[in-house]
Amino acid sequence: ILNVEQSPQSLHVQEGDSTNFTCSFPSSNFYALHWYRWETAKSPEALFVMTLNGDEKKKGRISATLNTKEGYSYLYIKGSQPEDSATYLCASYTGNQFYFGTGTSLTVIP
Amino acid sequence: EAQVTQNPRYLITVTGKKLTVTCSQNMNHEYMSWYRQDPGLGLRQIYYSMNVEVTDKGDVPEGYKVSRKEKRNFPLILESPSPNQTSLYFCASSDRVSYGYTFGSGTRLTVV
Repeated sequence: ILNVEQSPQSLHVQEGDSTNFTCSFPSSNFYALHWYRWETAKSPEALFVMTLNGDEKKKGRISATLNTKEGYSYLYIKGSQPEDSATYLCASYTGNQFYFGTGTSLTVIP
Repeated sequence: EAQVTQNPRYLITVTGKKLTVTCSQNMNHEYMSWYRQDPGLGLRQIYYSMNVEVTDKGDVPEGYKVSRKEKRNFPLILESPSPNQTSLYFCASSDRVSYGYTFGSGTRLTVV
């Protein structure tokens, strides 16, 4: 079992604040790192897939970076909006299995 | 529309009564997987399949069976459900790396 850790566990921010979360994973057996957005009562939706050290991905106000040598990824949200409220999951893919973290629950207060 | 179709959405059953949760994808994905989600534990992989007739145990396979006779279908079978299998289950498919998982809508199973 691979230990993928996410921090913080939960986060409350004011509308307009920028925020970031961390995903830590073992750097050995690394193939790809996935980020998902999971809204209550829905299914997780893929945000980013990153494979190379130094990768940066961006989708609107959300961006992510990857450091495979030290085994971490950051997810950034710029100017948080209430509709960004969700749980953000990361998953490390080893080439045959995916290992998920327990997620960061973000609440954006209007 | 590209999707993973999972049925049923909700299921209440009694201990020991065999059940099957179906999962079908229309994206020609090779990789399919089943997860269970429990509070505080995140998504845990039950079984996965890298192609037709190829299945492997995930981290929590006890009490579950799967089969992959066709590329599009990956049913989850509980031969003798027990209350500790009460959970939220997700089926997911992927082309392995490039685009991430597409998840089904989830099955909330209660075993009494």
